[in-house]
Amino acid sequence: DADVTQTPRNRITKTGKRIMLECSQTKGHDRMYWYRQDPGLGLRLIYYSFDVKDINKGEISDGYSVSRQAQAKFSLSLESAIPNQTALYFCATSEPSAGGFYGYTFGSGTRLTVV
Amino acid sequence: DAKTTQPPSMDCAEGRAANLPCNHSTISGNEYVYWYRQIHSQGPQYIIHGLKNNETNEMASLIITEDRKSSTLILPHATLRDTAVYYCIATQGGSEKLVFGKGTKLTVNP
Repeated sequence: DADVTQTPRNRITKTGKRIMLECSQTKGHDRMYWYRQDPGLGLRLIYYSFDVKDINKGEISDGYSVSRQAQAKFSLSLESAIPNQTALYFCATSEPSAGGFYGYTFGSGTRLTVV
Repeated sequence: DAKTTQPPSMDCAEGRAANLPCNHSTISGNEYVYWYRQIHSQGPQYIIHGLKNNETNEMASLIITEDRKSSTLILPHATLRDTAVYYCIATQGGSEKLVFGKGTKLTVNP
């Protein structure tokens, strides 16, 4: 089984629908992240969480919300999907080392299409 | 985070060394240089990181200039499976998050 599992892998939804992307991890890491990637661009951070009680906005949080249900689970919701939210979404985990962050583990991604 | 500059694309022949440059002229003393790669829409994969000294692991070598204003990722014997987008990131130790730029698209040719 993968260390970071994202479901679904692919999803097509209609404009205005609410949709949830789920992420679970077996790494035992406290820190989890949601990134978005548009064609030809790098990854942009949506939200991140350092523990169950800690949620932080990233650079593009508008139109999204998250829920950290447990250490191992971090869900991303689109309250009312719009076409420009069509993108590839990645969940990631990390664990700080003595010297700094490294070794982020990413999921395989969820390809979301909003029509 | 220090701004990093990478060439948008590079080509390399299979079996040869691939040398990917990264400029981070504004890097501060406590910022590390990290390299990740993304193979065709898969999740990014950690490669290597360093602060001052050159580093080597089973995947690659990282050469950091003495003034730390630039670095080079070296894939010693590139294979077709190394075709990917390579991201260079400069960020503080203990930084809360990674910020990705557009990276370098490396194409390894047979």
